[in-house]
Amino acid sequence: EVQLVQSGAEVKKPGEPVKISCKGSGYRFASFWIAWVRQMPGKRLEWMGSIDPSDSDIRYNPSFQGQVTISADKSVSAAYLQWGSLKASDSGIYYCARSPSDFYGMDVWGQGTTVTV
Amino acid sequence: DIQLTQSPSFLSASVGDRVTITCRASQSITTNLNWYQKKPGNAPKLLIYDASSLQSRVPSRFRGSGSGTDFALTISNMEPEDFASYYCQQSYSSPLTFGPGTTVDIK
Repeated sequence: EVQLVQSGAEVKKPGEPVKISCKGSGYRFASFWIAWVRQMPGKRLEWMGSIDPSDSDIRYNPSFQGQVTISADKSVSAAYLQWGSLKASDSGIYYCARSPSDFYGMDVWGQGTTVTV
Repeated sequence: DIQLTQSPSFLSASVGDRVTITCRASQSITTNLNWYQKKPGNAPKLLIYDASSLQSRVPSRFRGSGSGTDFALTISNMEPEDFASYYCQQSYSSPLTFGPGTTVDIK
């Protein structure tokens, strides 16, 4: 079964760092991009950026560039989203999702990770 | 950024109804438009990609149409499991953007 499994919920204080993960299984991880999407209460979904695990080529949404870091480690079939210093406004649900290319539909989604600051 | 609007924002329907949701882009996105279904507490689920291609294992009662700036998602013969929120998303250019969503509830 193709799936993305995300790390568990995080409760942090403002200024603390955090790194959440997304682990793929059931497919060749390096053959698909991984996107990160934010959901905040009452707001539309927001694409934060995408990474190609084969070479770590990254596309950032300018609204999030400099605020977060996206990375991947194809040897363990995982992608990551990290913050160096959290703000209260970073609270939300973060999804990873698989995509055949950098700009395409996202066909497999993780279960979401809730970050509370 | 390409802005997406959806209408209606909310829709009440009955089982067996035909439902149409529209999505309009602020500029032409050719057919780079995708539709997702989302239920509370769950991740989004891809229904339609490239405006009209049905994602694998999605029931054929879901149909996407349109090109350029105007798109539609039609659900023929609503089933109980179809009551959810629906989002369009453009993959024409960065940053990828989503519509505000349409919630379909039971009349």
